[in-house]
Amino acid sequence: EAQVTQNPRYLITVTGKKLTVTCSQNMNHEYMSWYRQDPGLGLRQIYYSMNVEVTDKGDVPEGYKVSRKEKRNFPLILESPSPNQTSLYFCASSSFDGTYNEQFFGPGTRLTVL
Amino acid sequence: QKEVEQNSGPLSVPEGAIASLNCTYSDRVSQSFFWYRQYSGKSPELIMSIYSNGDKEDGRFTAQLNKASQYVSLLIRDSQPSDSATYLCAVNKDSNYQLIWGAGTKLIIKP
Repeated sequence: EAQVTQNPRYLITVTGKKLTVTCSQNMNHEYMSWYRQDPGLGLRQIYYSMNVEVTDKGDVPEGYKVSRKEKRNFPLILESPSPNQTSLYFCASSSFDGTYNEQFFGPGTRLTVL
Repeated sequence: QKEVEQNSGPLSVPEGAIASLNCTYSDRVSQSFFWYRQYSGKSPELIMSIYSNGDKEDGRFTAQLNKASQYVSLLIRDSQPSDSATYLCAVNKDSNYQLIWGAGTKLIIKP
């Protein structure tokens, strides 16, 4: 089954404790992206990747890191989480042929930073 | 001004009627436009994509694009209670490979 998986689905942590949210897709997609979704603000892009070893900042990259060592995986790293990073996080992937194609989303990770 | 604007709603529509959802965008050179549906607590899923001026129909859904007015809309005919969700408008940015998202319109279909 074609899908994007994220883990964990729910996470409660404390300020400053490093964490990683994993994202994996099995569709051989070139493009992967991380978003956060907050009430009234919609989806905001954190980082995206056009292919292996190619990543770029989105609109809200501060406090986050990513890596793309393999095509299927795109982990999101919070080195020192803060309460303002409490949010719903989505990973998404799509094929890319020079035009925009449908983005497939993971189920989401609800993060609470105390 | 937000780059992609949508009325947050909620928009309440009787079952069987036409639901009309609107989205305006600020980047005149945007070329790709998407409507996603998001049920509460779930991830977004693509409903329609449109790339040229005019109408594009897919079943009960019609997307309308007017680039001169920087306006894209989604019509849902014969609305069903299962259409109750938040509808997100997404538009590409000219300068890079990003999609910019509206905050979404919450649609409620009343039986």
